[in-house]
Amino acid sequence: EVQLVQSGAEVKKPGESLKISCKGSGYSFTTHWIGWVRQMPGKGLEWMGIIYPGDSRTKYSPSFQDQVTMSADTSLSSAYLQWSSLKASDTAIYYCLRHDQSGSSSWYYWGQGTLVTVSS
Amino acid sequence: QSALTQPASVSGSPGQSITISCTGTSSDIGAYNYVSWFQQHPGKVPRLMIYDVGNRPSGVSNRFSGSKSGNTASLTISGLQAEDEADYYCTSYTTSTIFAWVFGGGTKLTVL
Repeated sequence: EVQLVQSGAEVKKPGESLKISCKGSGYSFTTHWIGWVRQMPGKGLEWMGIIYPGDSRTKYSPSFQDQVTMSADTSLSSAYLQWSSLKASDTAIYYCLRHDQSGSSSWYYWGQGTLVTVSS
Repeated sequence: QSALTQPASVSGSPGQSITISCTGTSSDIGAYNYVSWFQQHPGKVPRLMIYDVGNRPSGVSNRFSGSKSGNTASLTISGLQAEDEADYYCTSYTTSTIFAWVFGGGTKLTVL
């Protein structure tokens, strides 16, 4: 069974750093793009970027370029999203999701989401 | 990066059919058959309902269907049920920027 399991909720202060994770299981982690999506409170879904764990290729949405860093560790079957200096406006739920196959728009499997709260 | 354009809200009565539109450009919806639709109930994880314009994943009711004409994709829900009340988001592959994907702003479906 394919699963994406994300790390737990975080409460941070502005200026602090953070790294959240998304662990894949039940499939070949290296051969499927992983995407990250942000959902701010009461708002819609926003693509942040995608990473191909097999070679760590990344593509960032222009809105998130230089704001976050995506990475992957194939030995742990995990993808990561990190911030070096959080802002209050980073408060949101962050989802990871898996691209099912090349030549398709199927993003079927989602993580359960990680709630990040940034407050002084 | 411009989002795809969806109506903010649509509504319908039980048993009726509704259609949600998702308008893009010749760089995304108009150029590729890589359009998906997600359903999200309050406080829940989004769920894939349609992919590649008109394909349904296993387990999704055949009351949900997708189509595309030009730069606009559409999600149609027939035989509306109370449980269909949710937010719906479209997404498409795009070549308008170096990044590959774009979401619509979302549509709130209310079942009257």
